[in-house]
Amino acid sequence: EVQLVESGGGLIQPGGSLRLSCVASGFTFNSYDMSWVRQAPGKGLEWVSSMHIGTTTTNYADSVKGRFTISRDNSKNTLYLQMNSLRVDDTALYYCARRSGSYWHDSWGQGVLVTVSS
Amino acid sequence: EIVLTQSPATLSLSPGEGATLSCRASQSVSRYLAWYQQKPGQAPRLLIYDASNRATGIPARFSGSGSETDFTLTISNLESEDFAVYYCQQGSSWPRTFGQGTKVEIK
Repeated sequence: EVQLVESGGGLIQPGGSLRLSCVASGFTFNSYDMSWVRQAPGKGLEWVSSMHIGTTTTNYADSVKGRFTISRDNSKNTLYLQMNSLRVDDTALYYCARRSGSYWHDSWGQGVLVTVSS
Repeated sequence: EIVLTQSPATLSLSPGEGATLSCRASQSVSRYLAWYQQKPGQAPRLLIYDASNRATGIPARFSGSGSETDFTLTISNLESEDFAVYYCQQGSSWPRTFGQGTKVEIK
């Protein structure tokens, strides 16, 4: 069974930093591209970032470019999202998702909550 | 950035009825469009990819159609577990974008 378990969220002041982790199990992690998708409270889904297997190719939403960095450690089956210069509008539930095929996400974690507030 | 506009925002229907959800793209996405279902307190679930291909384990009452800029998700014979929010997502270009969602609620 595919499992994605996020951690690392919490309450952080504006301007602060957090690193989210997503531990994968039940599939060959280094065979799949991975993404982060977020959902602000009561709002819709927003794609944040994706990372491709086998290369260092990464993509980011304009809203996080230059502040967030996606990375992965295939030896630990773990995806990361380093979030710097956090803003109030970064408050959201952050989902880790497996990309199957070129763009769709067939497996999702339960999400980790990040709250940016003073 | 490709903007996806979903309509209607809310659809009020009774179990057994059919639902037709629309997703319109601001420019052509060919057939690179996926649909997801999200229930309260749950992560999204992939329903459809490449406009019309059902994901593994998705019932046949869910079907997708369309190409270029106009797409439709059809749910026939709504069951109680189908009342949820539905999102479309394009995979034609970066950044990937989602529609704002359509809520299918019980009438």
